Amino acid sequence: GENVEQHPSTLSVQEGDSAVIKCTYSDSASNYFPWYKQELGKRPQLIIDIRSNVGEKKDQRIAVTLNKTAKHFSLHITETQPEDSAVYFCAAKPYAAGNKLTFGGGTRVLVKP
Amino acid sequence: IAGITQAPTSQILAAGRRMTLRCTQDMRHNAMYWYRQDLGLGLRLIHYSNTAGTTGKGEVPDGYSVSRANTDDFPLTLASAVPSQTSVYFCASSDSAYNSPLHFGNGTRLTVT
Repeated sequence: GENVEQHPSTLSVQEGDSAVIKCTYSDSASNYFPWYKQELGKRPQLIIDIRSNVGEKKDQRIAVTLNKTAKHFSLHITETQPEDSAVYFCAAKPYAAGNKLTFGGGTRVLVKP
Repeated sequence: IAGITQAPTSQILAAGRRMTLRCTQDMRHNAMYWYRQDLGLGLRLIHYSNTAGTTGKGEVPDGYSVSRANTDDFPLTLASAVPSQTSVYFCASSDSAYNSPLHFGNGTRLTVT
């Protein structure tokens, strides 16, 4: 089955700086890569996703890049703000797996004012 | 407000006891899922249902059972709880069973003593 590794496990950045979270996956058939944000004590919520036919996707201050050859994808947050402090999860899924996502272990991001 | 409702919010349970976690959605989503969240391990899929009347095993199904008698409800049962089942349990739903965003409930914090 799919295996997703996520790094770093914790990330502390100064407000206004950029944050980058990296994930690697094992199954070359994976074709869907969402990112979820979980604020303290809250539910995970989808913030952005990318499919394997696209190399990069942006939504305001967040962007995701995908390298299918290397089997890794990354989340980039620019101009970080205190409200970006949360745990971020990457996930991957082969098409044949329906909607059964395999999640990474999560990255706790702390934005210091 | 449309969404997913989980009950109870938290529970302390003696080992060996039976427990059912409830999950109800009012979005008429076809697919539903149960995940457990443990520190450093991300979210792991326990069981899923692509449509009413069908269920499937996820990554960590042992010790858990589910049923999907109708579209809205997807209860998770622990037949005989063990301390390793101490976790936060999230129910989720998605509109379709393929590459569709997951909508999570608020979670149930379960402690097995």
